[in-house]
Amino acid sequence: SAVISQKPSRDICQRGTSLTIQCQVDSQVTMMFWYRQQPGQSLTLIATANQGSEATYESGFVIDKFPISRPNLTFSTLTVSNMSPEDSSIYLCSVLLAAGTNTGELFFGEGSRLTVL
Amino acid sequence: GNSVTQMEGPVTLSEEAFLTINCTYTATGYPSLFWYVQYPGEGLQLLLKATKADDKGSNKGFEATYRKETTSFHLEKGSVQVSDSAVYFCALQDSGAGSYQLTFGKGTKLSVIP
Repeated sequence: SAVISQKPSRDICQRGTSLTIQCQVDSQVTMMFWYRQQPGQSLTLIATANQGSEATYESGFVIDKFPISRPNLTFSTLTVSNMSPEDSSIYLCSVLLAAGTNTGELFFGEGSRLTVL
Repeated sequence: GNSVTQMEGPVTLSEEAFLTINCTYTATGYPSLFWYVQYPGEGLQLLLKATKADDKGSNKGFEATYRKETTSFHLEKGSVQVSDSAVYFCALQDSGAGSYQLTFGKGTKLSVIP
């Protein structure tokens, strides 16, 4: 398994500001993903964070709104830019462990709960 | 594309009752299937999984069988406890495309009352 630390765990933000969420994993991983869980809804994939290159975004999500970095195998950030109340969600980091320990399942951080006023 | 359909919640049961949460899927390949659980105030945890047809995943008294003929992966537990109160998500992973990303159902909230 893996221990996934997300920061911040929660925050209250003002409209028009930006917030960066960090995800740190305690073991080598091959893939990292960012999901969004809007209130009362299921999880929607935002993007796959690629090490050393631009993230791969899903339909409906763009880099200008959700810039993502992944400078190494165990760390990634997601920024929610120019926030509006519609961005109030839980944002979750998810990882696939490296080959050798990979059982195919994804592990999730505890999430970052953002409220935009 | 891939999709997962879960029974609508919320589901309220008395302690020791039998639980079934239905899940059906649509996939182009041969996906792996998962049930994740989200306890109040916590992140997602893997509950059980099955990677091929007729596999049965089990954990903490929960079971689900991968049924290819009915494209289903229903979650069952014979006797629920108050501590099982949580939101349950069915998900599929089409790793044949090399992406490993998960497609989730909408989640089913379970409340177990003493």
